Amino acid sequence: DGGITQSPKYLFRKEGQNVTLSCEQNLNHDAMYWYRQDPGQGLRLIYYSQIVNDFQKGDIAEGYSVSREKKESFPLTVTSAQKNPTAFYLCASSSRQGARNTEAFFGQGTRLTVV
Amino acid sequence: GQNIDQPTEMTATEGAIVQINCTYQTSGFNGLFWYQQHAGEAPTFLSYNVLDGLEEKGRFSSFLSRSKGYSYLLLKELQMKDSASYLCAVRAMSSNTGKLIFGQGTTLQVKP
Repeated sequence: DGGITQSPKYLFRKEGQNVTLSCEQNLNHDAMYWYRQDPGQGLRLIYYSQIVNDFQKGDIAEGYSVSREKKESFPLTVTSAQKNPTAFYLCASSSRQGARNTEAFFGQGTRLTVV
Repeated sequence: GQNIDQPTEMTATEGAIVQINCTYQTSGFNGLFWYQQHAGEAPTFLSYNVLDGLEEKGRFSSFLSRSKGYSYLLLKELQMKDSASYLCAVRAMSSNTGKLIFGQGTTLQVKP
């Protein structure tokens, strides 16, 4: 079955450590996104990528980094520079602009907690 | 700048109709989406509007007016399971890229 997979579902990090969240999709989507959601809040865009080997900063990119070496994969690294990383992280993908169905499909999310 | 506004909370009665509004100001526009999100889960797609007018899909309908920067999601025959957050999102176009920007979400509580 086609879909978008995030791992792990729960992640605990010690202060000062970098951690990488995985996001893989087999929907043949060109665009991929990373969002952060805090309790009772909406989704805030961290980074997005429209094609392989290219990505752009979203509204809250500081303290995060990404790569897009393969179409299927868009990992997010939460660095030690991110001062308040505890949140629910959602990855999404969508087909290219101009395609009929361009809604974003979401992974199940990774809940990151700093301990 | 980019701005999407929705009411924070709404309450409605089972069996009733509720309308959730969304206004937006973005750099370019290439579609508006509505998503449903239950607590602790990922958002799921409900509807998509790119042209003005009403799109109907079962109990859910969505309306768009591009000239007014306005959309609403209409939920009919409310059920208890409709208690969730409803997220309005706009695909904003800037040069050749298309950011998908979300509003803060509207938490809907359906009461018996």
